[in-house]
Amino acid sequence: DSGVTQTPKHLITATGQRVTLRCSPRSGDLSVYWYQQSLDQGLQFLIQYYNGEERAKGNILERFSAQQFPDLHSELNLSSLELGDSALYFCASSASVAGYNEQFFGPGTRLTVL
Amino acid sequence: AQSVTQLGSHVSVSEGALVLLRCNYSSSVPPYLFWYVQYPNQGLQLLLKYTSAATLVKGINGFEAEFKKSETSFHLTKPSAHMSDAAEYFCAVSDRNNNDMRFGAGTRLTVKP
Repeated sequence: DSGVTQTPKHLITATGQRVTLRCSPRSGDLSVYWYQQSLDQGLQFLIQYYNGEERAKGNILERFSAQQFPDLHSELNLSSLELGDSALYFCASSASVAGYNEQFFGPGTRLTVL
Repeated sequence: AQSVTQLGSHVSVSEGALVLLRCNYSSSVPPYLFWYVQYPNQGLQLLLKYTSAATLVKGINGFEAEFKKSETSFHLTKPSAHMSDAAEYFCAVSDRNNNDMRFGAGTRLTVKP
C-alpha cells in the first residue's frame, strides 16, 4: 500500500459526459501528479500540482483540468468525453519537487467511455 | 527535453536466467533515473533510483541497475529470474529542479517455467 488513495476504482460513462477523479496523496506529501495510461499511448504525464499551485503540464488535453485543494487532495476533471479517453488514470504524490524524490502511485481509476 | 527509451517492449526469460531490461536516457544535464514495476491491475512501485551517488544501484527484489554516462544507459538486471518477476517495467527520468517524471514505453517481462 503506497498510501495514495484514488476514487472511484472504476468508472463507466458515455461519450460527451463529464467525470471527476479524486486523489488523496500520502500524508505529508505536497506534490501531486496525474498520469494517463492506455495501450496505445503508454504512461503519459498529464499535470503536476505542488502545494495548491500548478507546477508542470504535460500532454493534458484542454478538455481536462485539475486542481489541488488546501487539504492537498486533488481532482482531475475530464469533460466532453470521447471513446479515446478510456484509460487508466493514476495519481502519484511525492514529498517535494526535488528531482531525486520518488513518486508514490495510487491504484488508479479505470475509466471506460461507451 | 529529457526522455528515456526502453529497448524491447517484450522480454521473455526462463526461470533462473538473467534478466536484462534496457533503458537509454536523453538529458543535457546529469539526470535522476528511476525504475518502476507494475504488476497486473496495480499502480507503479519503485524498484530503485539513481541520484548521482553510486553508479551501481541496488533495489528491491534482487534488482540492480548501473548508470553509465558514456553510454547514456541505465539498464536493469537481475541475476536469476523468478516467476513472481513477471510484470511491466518502466524506466523514468526526472529533472534536477522538478520531478515531473517522463516514463519510457515500458517492457513487459515474461518468465517461463
